[in-house]
Order: sequence, then C-alpha cells, then structure tokens
Amino acid sequence: QVQLVESGGGVVQPGRSLRLSCAASQFPFSQYPIHWVRQAPGKGLEWVAVISSDGTSKYYADSVKGRFTISRDNSKNTLSLQMNSLRPDDTALYFCARDWGASHGLDVWGLGTTVTVS
Amino acid sequence: QSVLTQPPSASGTPGQRVTISCSGSISNIGSNTVNWYQQVPGTAPKLLIYSDNQRPSGVPDRFSGSKSGTSASLAVSGLQSEDEADYHCAAWDDSLYALVFGTGTKVTVL
Repeated sequence: QVQLVESGGGVVQPGRSLRLSCAASQFPFSQYPIHWVRQAPGKGLEWVAVISSDGTSKYYADSVKGRFTISRDNSKNTLSLQMNSLRPDDTALYFCARDWGASHGLDVWGLGTTVTVS
Repeated sequence: QSVLTQPPSASGTPGQRVTISCSGSISNIGSNTVNWYQQVPGTAPKLLIYSDNQRPSGVPDRFSGSKSGTSASLAVSGLQSEDEADYHCAAWDDSLYALVFGTGTKVTVL
C-alpha cells in the first residue's frame, strides 16, 4: 500500500548532526511535494520543511532555517533531512508526509522516527 | 510556536455535537484554505478535512469543516468513543512562507 517509512533517528549530543531518511513506496514519489513535521513529547505538531516534487523549491520553519536541509532523490524514492547544530528543543518525533496538492493537505504520513538531543 | 490558536480541550457525551475552533490571521486562514487532522495518541496524524470543508474518501460525514474570515471550525456530530483524539488545524501562511499548525485540541468522550 501507499507508504512512507522514516529512519535515522536516535540520541545525539547538542551541537552534533543527524540525518533522517524517508522511504516512499507504492505511489509516484516524483509527483508529490513532501514535508517534514515534528512533534515534541506531549506537544502539538510543528511543521519543519517542505520540498517540491522536483526538488528545486525548499522552504523551512524559522526554528530550523540555516541548520536543517531537506533534499530528495526521486530515482530512489527517498527524502532526507540533514540536521546540524542540534539543540535540545529539536527533540521530537519526526514525520514525513505527502502533500497531495489540495491546500497542502498531508494525506499520507509515516509512523515517525524519534530524535533525542541530550 | 503555533500560529493558529485552538482550545486545549473539548468534550461531549456519545451522540452529542462538538465544535473546535481555529483562529488565525489574514496571512494564513484569511488567505488560504484550512486542513484538519485527527491524531489518536501514539499514532500518526490522519487527514480529516481539506480545503476548509472537504472530506477525503473514508472519512465519515459526521465530520464537517467551515471557515469564516480568519477563523475555521471543525464539527463532530453524533460523537462516538472512537472520536477521542487530538485534533489539529493547519494552513499555509503567505507571510511566513510556511505551513502553520494549530495548538491542538484534545477531544474527550465522556
């Protein structure tokens, strides 16, 4: 079935880096923008970044701008999030989600991968 | 930091109607359509309403969305125990050039 699977989370010290991945399957990955959304423990959803279907346009939340980089490889159906200069407030469950185009509705979500900065 | 404001909680008994508000500004709700997500604790969010008032396939018609000016609302009629979850609104913000989420509302079925 249509699926997104995140990986790469873990425990990392403040100031270090981590790279998350999101593998897509059973849909034409190259036709959809993809977002990263995170959720800190016990908190609401926070948007992180989005990349256009062809990878040419990228937008970031102010809280991660200059530290995180979103990228994609449409030949491998994968999305990445390079996270540098990590801070304790980056601790969260990170989801990747498909943007189906209707008002940026995110219609397919992965289960998430946990990042702990401590 | 959430840009869209929601009440932290809402509740009702089975069969009742519950309404959740989402307040924003001209640059987000006032200029773009609103989506709503349902999140059962421990699971990923699920798209519940898109483009202010449209339901994806499979979403019961007990769920409905509306918008007026810079505010939006989600109504759940005929409340059921399985509706107990967190609900989040979201919209694109033209000033921030970012997708903004609401603060989230926990719905409890009494």
